[in-house]
Amino acid sequence: KNEVEQSPQNLTAQEGEFITINCSYSVGISALHWLQQHPGGGIVSLFMLSSGKKKHGRLIATINIQEKHSSLHITASHPRDSAVYICAVTGNQFYFGTGTSLTVIP
Amino acid sequence: ETGVTQTPRHLVMGMTNKKSLKCEQHLGHNAMYWYKQSAKKPLELMFVYNFKEQTENNSVPSRFSPECPNSSHLFLHLHTLQPEDSALYLCASSQWLHYEQYFGPGTRLTVT
Repeated sequence: KNEVEQSPQNLTAQEGEFITINCSYSVGISALHWLQQHPGGGIVSLFMLSSGKKKHGRLIATINIQEKHSSLHITASHPRDSAVYICAVTGNQFYFGTGTSLTVIP
Repeated sequence: ETGVTQTPRHLVMGMTNKKSLKCEQHLGHNAMYWYKQSAKKPLELMFVYNFKEQTENNSVPSRFSPECPNSSHLFLHLHTLQPEDSALYLCASSQWLHYEQYFGPGTRLTVT
């Protein structure tokens, strides 16, 4: 069993839809990261959070430390949001989820 | 452009070759990381350097040898690799250890 589980593994949405990607973890952490990887490999760090909620443009990340759960929300999704979204946690070491592949159709 | 560059972007090498991957960060960060990403698998953290000192080596085979001459440069020396080592190798840096990371574009390695 992975220390970090993401769901769903694959997601297809229509442009404009509200999207939620979930991440659950089983280890003690100091921070949780959401990463975005576009085709071709480049990875961008979207959020680093240890409590509460953060918002950047159309992206919102939340974390519930007690439940060991985080969600990444995308409002008014757009085809350029198509990418793999990776959840990672840091504690004594790094643990990564397998990623959620998102495709937004025009 | 994240401020982290990697060269080469693509590399094809035979199993008997020796090559090196280079990573450079222009962000003034203190920690640098090597990752391996194989198809359909999660990112695998290989090595971590903090202030030029190696702090993590996640059971990586000795055919991969990292070098960090200063906080801005990180190398991964490769020798006698196997075809299963073909993957995307990503470098990242962060201001402090385990903080928000900035990734390079990666080197796509193919071992023939």
